[in-house]
Amino acid sequence: SQQGEEDPQALSIQEGENATMNCSYKTSINNLQWYRQNSGRGLVHLILIRSNEREKHSGRLRVTLDTSKKSSSLLITASRAADTASYFCATDEGGYNKLIFGAGTRLAVHP
Amino acid sequence: DAGVIQSPRHEVTEMGQEVTLRCKPISGHDYLFWYRQTMMRGLELLIYFNNNVPIDDSGMPEDRFSAKMPNASFSTLKIQPSEPRDSAVYFCASSPGDRAHGYTFGSGTRLTVV
Repeated sequence: SQQGEEDPQALSIQEGENATMNCSYKTSINNLQWYRQNSGRGLVHLILIRSNEREKHSGRLRVTLDTSKKSSSLLITASRAADTASYFCATDEGGYNKLIFGAGTRLAVHP
Repeated sequence: DAGVIQSPRHEVTEMGQEVTLRCKPISGHDYLFWYRQTMMRGLELLIYFNNNVPIDDSGMPEDRFSAKMPNASFSTLKIQPSEPRDSAVYFCASSPGDRAHGYTFGSGTRLTVV
């Protein structure tokens, strides 16, 4: 079963623009994580935000978490062609260290 | 560390044959996970281990699927007999088990059952 659901399913932007992806989930969580997957490759962990945190930054990435709305957003600033990938959010189901992934957002960044 | 290592990268087999996928987790990671990825169902958690012990296998689709972790550095996922609907990319991931770190995924095994 999928816990996190991403929106939009696909996003196409130009280099230099910002990309925002959203994730919603259904039950209580301890943390929410974002991953990137390049075509034909495994997933790469980007950032983890705990349920008591509201915002977190890592380089060009900014993640927000609103537990009252059960939603999170991932912002990639000043996007590059190399950011082209699928992005997934994942949550623990309230259980320890068991991640359930959403369907992902396919991001295409055009030069 | 070389990361999570999976083998083979690609596997093509005929329906009815036995398939074994292999995974070497990152040394020191106490948790190991097997996921399956398809276009239709996305990423599904099949089973995970803690300190070599299976904790939750509720995602294993059928009795045809089995997974073992005989030691801290090796795990297998076996499908016997394989069916065309098992075609997917199978990922292994490991984690140190604290809540401060994410998973490290392997590159996956693309399985095609014809």
